[in-house]
Amino acid sequence: ETGVTQSPTHLIKTRGQQVTLRCSSQSGHNTVSWYQQALGQGPQFIFQYYREEENGRGNFPPRFSGLQFPNYSSELNVNALELDDSALYLCASSLGASLNNEQFFGPGTRLTVL
Amino acid sequence: QQQVKQSPQSLIVQKGGISIINCAYENTAFDYFPWYQQFPGKGPALLIAIRPDVSEKKEGRFTISFNKSAKQFSLHIMDSQPGDSATYFCAASSGGYQKVTFGIGTKLQVIP
Repeated sequence: ETGVTQSPTHLIKTRGQQVTLRCSSQSGHNTVSWYQQALGQGPQFIFQYYREEENGRGNFPPRFSGLQFPNYSSELNVNALELDDSALYLCASSLGASLNNEQFFGPGTRLTVL
Repeated sequence: QQQVKQSPQSLIVQKGGISIINCAYENTAFDYFPWYQQFPGKGPALLIAIRPDVSEKKEGRFTISFNKSAKQFSLHIMDSQPGDSATYFCAASSGGYQKVTFGIGTKLQVIP
């Protein structure tokens, strides 16, 4: 067990709605990254937060946004949901933002957009 | 645009055999190449990683071979076991940052 938890496990939304996904990092981990994993694909980097500030972003539109809180929890918010947003969303936490710090992934939230 | 190309997408190996998964990359700025293992219902977990200053790294039954000039790297699983059945992702990153680019994944099934 990595100690990284995500909620909810599954979620169904309709197109145009907004969704908030939550991640609880391991204690002491000041870095959290979010990934989108479409069915049959590898995870794609969405963005990273380091000490509550965005610290890098992948090729995702601004309707994907995030927050990181001092209590090692974080959120991924997606506005104006599209059908292609259906995927497994993974968060990964680490002790720091460099590659010397291993990322520990949570089990993910499966989002279905109808 | 797939920056890390992985093959095969599925692989069936008999118990005790060698599983081989291949990856190729385009971006010469990549300088860190991890492999992840993902079981159903779980997130990926780091298995083994290599930097381009070495051609091979071995940890137990898992070996990464790296060919910098060909921009290719591969994972070898020796003495494959049914418990190794999982999806394996090769990945790459650069500049010491955790923005990791993953391959498409290889679903490995080890049959008794």
